[in-house]
Amino acid sequence: NAGVTQTPKFQVLKTGQSMTLQCAQDMNHEYMSWYRQDPGMGLRLIHYSVGAGITDQGEVPNGYNVSRSTTEDFPLRLLSAAPSQTSVYFCASSYPSSTGLYTEAFFGQGTRLTVV
Amino acid sequence: KQEVTQIPAALSVPEGENLVLNCSFTDSAIYNLQWFRQDPGKGLTSLLLIQSSQREQTSGRLNASLDKSSGRSTLYIAASQPGDSATYLCAVRTGANNLFFGTGTRLTVIP
Repeated sequence: NAGVTQTPKFQVLKTGQSMTLQCAQDMNHEYMSWYRQDPGMGLRLIHYSVGAGITDQGEVPNGYNVSRSTTEDFPLRLLSAAPSQTSVYFCASSYPSSTGLYTEAFFGQGTRLTVV
Repeated sequence: KQEVTQIPAALSVPEGENLVLNCSFTDSAIYNLQWFRQDPGKGLTSLLLIQSSQREQTSGRLNASLDKSSGRSTLYIAASQPGDSATYLCAVRTGANNLFFGTGTRLTVIP
C-alpha cells in the first residue's frame, strides 16, 4: 500500500522561483492537509481540504497556494520562494469515520526544501 | 489557541528501562490525541490514537493514556530497546482538519 506519497523528497530553490510540491494518497481520504516542520516549533498547518474543490487556510498560509481537483491529489504551490520557506513539508490525510469520530492522520515522508 | 507541550525535550535511558513521555495541552475541547514516531529525516509514523471519550490505548509495548479534563497524555514504553530511539510527537485534533503538535521528545535508548 502506497499511503501518502510526496514528491520530490529534496529540492533547492533560488529566491523568487516558484515550484509545486506534489502529494497523492490512494486511501480515498476526504481530508488532506499540508504542514511545515521547523526546528523548535513543531508542525504547523499551512492549508487543508475537506474534499475535492474545497480548500481553506491554516495557521501559516502566506506565500502558498493549494487546489484540490481530485480526491487523490493535493499539490502545494510556492508562488515566489523566500529563505523563510526553508523547511520540511509534510502532507497528511484522514477521513471522518461512519461513527462521526475522526480517524488517525497518515503522513507522507516529507519534502525537504531549501531556499537560497 | 491550542498549545501542546512535551516534556522532556530529550531523554536518554539504558536498554530495558521502562519510560514515560509526557504531553500536555491547554484546551480540553479536543476530538482525539495521536502519538507519532519520527526517525531522523523521515516522516511521521502513527503509534496510537486515543479518542476523546477513551482513557487509554495499547499497542504491544506501548500504552498511551488520556486525561482530557486535566489536558494531559502520557506514552508509556515498556522494556525499551535501541530501536525505540526516535523523536516522539503528540498531536491533538481540534477540528475537521487541524492537528496541533508538540515539539517532541527525542528519545535515545543506550545499548
